[in-house]
Amino acid sequence: TQLLEQSPQFLSIQEGENLTVYCNSSSVFSSLQWYRQEPGEGPVLLVTVVTGGEVKKLKRLTFQFGDARKDSSLHITAAQPGDTGLYLCADGSSNTGKLIFGQGTTLQVKP
Amino acid sequence: EAEVAQSPRYKITEKSQAVAFWCDPISGHATLYWYRQILGQGPELLVQFQDESVVDDSQLPKDRFSAERLKGVDSTLKIQPAELGDSAMYLCASSLGGGQHNEQFFGPGTRLTVL
Repeated sequence: TQLLEQSPQFLSIQEGENLTVYCNSSSVFSSLQWYRQEPGEGPVLLVTVVTGGEVKKLKRLTFQFGDARKDSSLHITAAQPGDTGLYLCADGSSNTGKLIFGQGTTLQVKP
Repeated sequence: EAEVAQSPRYKITEKSQAVAFWCDPISGHATLYWYRQILGQGPELLVQFQDESVVDDSQLPKDRFSAERLKGVDSTLKIQPAELGDSAMYLCASSLGGGQHNEQFFGPGTRLTVL
């Protein structure tokens, strides 16, 4: 059974700071997705990465997929209070479309 | 903009009672998923439908949970009887099809509290 570990579990920072959160797997991903979930809402897809070494940017967010496709990172530059939420990585490798999620990183950005 | 609808948004019940959650996926989406998310954890799949057929219910506690999607459109998830450990967020998601490259769209969830 694949296990996804995310770190840190909780992060509280001031507006304007940079941060990086990590997702590590016990086995190779064929497809990895990052989601953000705001309190009381469902997760919203941010990005999908499929190629080892791939880097994708979404405004102030930079996503990296490890060369061995077993790890990924999400870097946020100049964090804003609107970035507050739960960041989840998910393995989308299943042929059925089933997603396996990590436990998430809770980010709090203070104004 | 098309969205996945869920109701109710919040439900408080006593243990041993029956509860039911409803999900209306995005129109045209053949695949529907029910996930359970315990506070502080990521969602875990309970059941997946392709049209009206169950594709995966391996993690569904079948002694107390049931799910149906009779006409292949909206779906109901039922718990009977509810237990304290069932307190969680129940999320519904839909996608155009199953498989790796179909984006899943999540509804706002139903927050269940069992007293």
